[in-house]
Amino acid sequence: DADVTQTPRNRITKTGKRIMLECSQTKGHDRMYWYRQDPGLGLRLIYYSFDVKDINKGEISDGYSVSRQAQAKFSLSLESAIPNQTALYFCATGGAGDSGANVLTFGAGSRLTVL
Amino acid sequence: SQQGEEDPQALSIQEGENATMNCSYKTSINNLQWYRQNSGRGLVHLILIRSNEREKHSGRLRVTLDTSKKSSSLLITASRAADTASYFCATRGSSNTGKLIFGQGTTLQVKP
Repeated sequence: DADVTQTPRNRITKTGKRIMLECSQTKGHDRMYWYRQDPGLGLRLIYYSFDVKDINKGEISDGYSVSRQAQAKFSLSLESAIPNQTALYFCATGGAGDSGANVLTFGAGSRLTVL
Repeated sequence: SQQGEEDPQALSIQEGENATMNCSYKTSINNLQWYRQNSGRGLVHLILIRSNEREKHSGRLRVTLDTSKKSSSLLITASRAADTASYFCATRGSSNTGKLIFGQGTTLQVKP
């Protein structure tokens, strides 16, 4: 099994629908992240969490919400999806070990298309 | 805005040649990391260099860091067709927030 599992891998939905992307990890890491990737824009940070009670906004949090249900689970929700949220979404985990280097392990990605 | 800016955006070379990618960033950092992404897949960590280091090697990879210029370079020597991928730099700020901010990436094509 993968260290970081994202579901669904692909999703097509319509404008206005609520969507949840789920992420689970077996790395035992405290830190979890959601990034969005668009062509030519690299990865942009949406939300991140350092433990179950800690949630932080990233660069582009508007239109998104997250829930850290457990140390191993971090879900991203789009309450009312819009077409410009069409993108490839990545979940990542990072440990505070190794002197706090924070090397990330990524999931395989969730491709979301909003029509 | 994004921390890292990468140059060039795209690079095409022949197998066996060296590939150099550059990354510039804006604020002081704790460390800088390079990641690789095969088309449409998740990113994979390649190498990390700390702010007090100037050069790091890992196999065919060589990373340099110049904190005075706020820039880093990734050199892949003796490239192979399998090195074809996108390469991203990512910076962790010195304020210890734990955030990792990525650049826009360089797309490398290695022709057999």
